[in-house]
Amino acid sequence: EAEVAQSPRYKITEKSQAVAFWCDPISGHATLYWYRQILGQGPELLVQFQDESVVDDSQLPKDRFSAERLKGVDSTLKIQPAELGDSAMYLCASSLNSGGKETQYFGPGTRLLVL
Amino acid sequence: SQQGEEDPQALSIQEGENATMNCSYKTSINNLQWYRQNSGRGLVHLILIRSNEREKHSGRLRVTLDTSKKSSSLLITASRAADTASYFCALLPAGAGSYQLTFGKGTKLSVIP
Repeated sequence: EAEVAQSPRYKITEKSQAVAFWCDPISGHATLYWYRQILGQGPELLVQFQDESVVDDSQLPKDRFSAERLKGVDSTLKIQPAELGDSAMYLCASSLNSGGKETQYFGPGTRLLVL
Repeated sequence: SQQGEEDPQALSIQEGENATMNCSYKTSINNLQWYRQNSGRGLVHLILIRSNEREKHSGRLRVTLDTSKKSSSLLITASRAADTASYFCALLPAGAGSYQLTFGKGTKLSVIP
């Protein structure tokens, strides 16, 4: 069964350093999502791509976060510089098309710890 | 807030018992979805129920939706230790151009063998 791949699974970094997360969605899925999940909370959407275009990045802290999906397939989420409050699980999901009317398939996540 | 609110926050039951968790919300919805998350893992989609549906089943799962009360419930029958996880409801608000799911804080279910 096809899965969403994410790497790394765990990342420990010091504040002010740069970090990057990678996501490979299920083949053929046009829509890709990056979520941030703080411990004990539900996921919050950071950015949504439809193919290579950003559909919604209103919750992305653009002073330090950036996301790209250059060829409309895999995607990278970057944080520079990382802050203590960025410690969280970063989840990538994909769906066949945009709109919450479809099932989103989640990857295993990247757990980030900023020291 | 367009976010659903799950109740209870935590639930502990014996294996074989049924588990019921609820989700209340304030906005009109297009659909409501339930997801499961095992500790430290990604989320797994369980069931999607549309605003014009009242009940859906999938294996040992039963989801109901009452749009007049703006609430949904997830029932897991004959629970197993492997059902231990956090369960989240996610809402798609109604309206043209609405596409963003918003997740609640979840119910943490512990099934004791």
